[in-house]
Amino acid sequence: EPEVTQTPSHQVTQMGQEVILRCVPISNHLYFYWYRQILGQKVEFLVSFYNNEISEKSEIFDDQFSVERPDGSNFTLKIRSTKLEDSAMYFCASSEISVTGSPLHFGNGTRLTVT
Amino acid sequence: SQQGEEDPQALSIQEGENATMNCSYKTSINNLQWYRQNSGRGLVHLILIRSNEREKHSGRLRVTLDTSKKSSSLLITASRAADTASYFCAISGGSYIPTFGRGTSLIVHP
Repeated sequence: EPEVTQTPSHQVTQMGQEVILRCVPISNHLYFYWYRQILGQKVEFLVSFYNNEISEKSEIFDDQFSVERPDGSNFTLKIRSTKLEDSAMYFCASSEISVTGSPLHFGNGTRLTVT
Repeated sequence: SQQGEEDPQALSIQEGENATMNCSYKTSINNLQWYRQNSGRGLVHLILIRSNEREKHSGRLRVTLDTSKKSSSLLITASRAADTASYFCAISGGSYIPTFGRGTSLIVHP
């Protein structure tokens, strides 16, 4: 069964550094998402992406964050200058159509640790 | 933005028993989804129920939705040790973006 893949599985970085988290969504999916989960807390929506542009974003997704689909397969999340509070699991997801009628398929996440 | 609130936060049962988890929300929804998360892994979709549906089944899973009470429940029948995981409800409302609660941590003892 096709799956969403994320790399790396773990990323340790120093405060102030830039990080890029990578995702390969399921190939025939059109909608892409990033969520994050701080340890033991709820899964928080960051951003959704459709037709090569951001369709929705949350308050968390400030100017430090950006997303890109550089080619036909990858979907990336960049954090320009990491802060300690950015430490979390970051999940990429994709869906066939709008979430009004289609489940999200999640990757296994990237654990980001900012020191 | 609205989110679902799962209840209880934690549930511990014996293998073979049924497990019931609840989700409450505050505003109108388009659909509600249940997901499962094994420790350290991504979320796996279980069931999607639309606002005009009242009940859905998938194997040992049964989901109900009561829009008048703004609540949903997930029932796992004849639980197994392998059902041990966290279970999340995700609400899609006006923005159509699923928002998740904190989840219910289920432990099934063999």
